[in-house]
Amino acid sequence: GNSVTQMEGPVTLSEEAFLTINCTYTATGYPSLFWYVQYPGEGLQLLLKATKADDKGSNKGFEATYRKETTSFHLEKGSVQVSDSAVYFCALSAVQGAQKLVFGQGTRLTINP
Amino acid sequence: GAGVSQSPSNKVTEKGKDVELRCDPISGHTALYWYRQSLGQGLEFLIYFQGNSAPDKSGLPSDRFSAERTGGSVSTLTIQRTQQEDSAVYLCASSSNPNQPQHFGDGTRLSIL
Repeated sequence: GNSVTQMEGPVTLSEEAFLTINCTYTATGYPSLFWYVQYPGEGLQLLLKATKADDKGSNKGFEATYRKETTSFHLEKGSVQVSDSAVYFCALSAVQGAQKLVFGQGTRLTINP
Repeated sequence: GAGVSQSPSNKVTEKGKDVELRCDPISGHTALYWYRQSLGQGLEFLIYFQGNSAPDKSGLPSDRFSAERTGGSVSTLTIQRTQQEDSAVYLCASSSNPNQPQHFGDGTRLSIL
């Protein structure tokens, strides 16, 4: 079946550090890939997405590139801020015409000033 | 606001009781999804409604779970004869169509004593 595996957390970094959160997937066909973020006390929000191989999704300084050859969608940011502290979820949608999302287990990120 | 609204925000009930959780999607959104976020299982898809089509119930964990969507808008998720393993945060999401990003509500935190 379809699945997403994320880097285990929690991850703690200092402000301005480089961030990578690894995500790999297993899916039939050509899934769409997403990163969602859940800030403390808030609901899930879409951070970025990519719908086909070699696409790069980007938002708020975060980037992720859809790599079909390695079945990966790693999240990166060059210089993190305290406000980036949140739980990050990698997800895929493999069903044509319906975004039933399959989520990874989430990675809790804490940025210290 | 114009976001997805869920009620109640918190629900505590005794094992064996029935519960109803409500979701008000964003006005005009035809696609509505329910997910469950629990410590042991992460984020799991439960059920999907699209317009007037028959719902996709493939994620419902048992026949104690059911959901309906009246008039293509408000949705209710019902859990009968609740068990302790039903304790979780139940999330609702909607999108303008199945190929657009999902907007999530803040969830209902359900605790079964």
